Amino acid sequence: QVQLVQSGAEVKKPGASVKVSCKASGYTFTSYPMHWVRQAPGQRLEWMGWINSGNGDTKYSQNFQGRVTITRDTSASTVNMELSSLRSEDTAVYYCARDRPMVRGVVEYFFDYWGQGTLVTVSS
Amino acid sequence: EIVLTQSPATLSLSPGERASLSCRASQSVSSYLAWFQQKPGQAPRLVIYDASNRATGIPARFSGSGSGTVFTLTISSLEPADFAVYFCQQRSNWPPTFGGGTKVEIK
Repeated sequence: QVQLVQSGAEVKKPGASVKVSCKASGYTFTSYPMHWVRQAPGQRLEWMGWINSGNGDTKYSQNFQGRVTITRDTSASTVNMELSSLRSEDTAVYYCARDRPMVRGVVEYFFDYWGQGTLVTVSS
Repeated sequence: EIVLTQSPATLSLSPGERASLSCRASQSVSSYLAWFQQKPGQAPRLVIYDASNRATGIPARFSGSGSGTVFTLTISSLEPADFAVYFCQQRSNWPPTFGGGTKVEIK
């Protein structure tokens, strides 16, 4: 069965960076794009970006452009999300979410499986 | 970006009752709207995709309807496991966006 297992909770100081990982199993990793979505306390879910797990192409939300980097390690079936220049407003639960296989090179933004979430707390 | 507005914020119902949740989009999203269920401390679970299609393993008491800007998620007869937060998501326009959620709580 499809499983997305994320790394554990993190506490960071303002200005630092955080890297969250998402290990996939139960399917062909390189055939499915992966997204990152976050949920700050009391806020709605916010899409951050996605990666083509096959060729590594990425696209990021303008809200995070320049601060977020998504990478993948195909040998480990793992996608990583690094967020830099952290501020208190980045305190949130971060989720990875799998998409359907791309059709004619177009990502679908169809989130069928989600990781369990990783709490990142930014505090001085 | 497209704004999704969900109502009501909280729905207080008893097991066995019918639940109707609304999601309105600031502009047309055609039928590219999904509904997710989220319980405390758990990952979101896809319930309905493309407005009216039940996801794998979702019971028939869940149904979705609508197109354009107005969508409804209906739970025909609430089971104890259905009490949770539900949120909608559109994938018609970039970036994908989510609604603020409706909490279905036990009355």
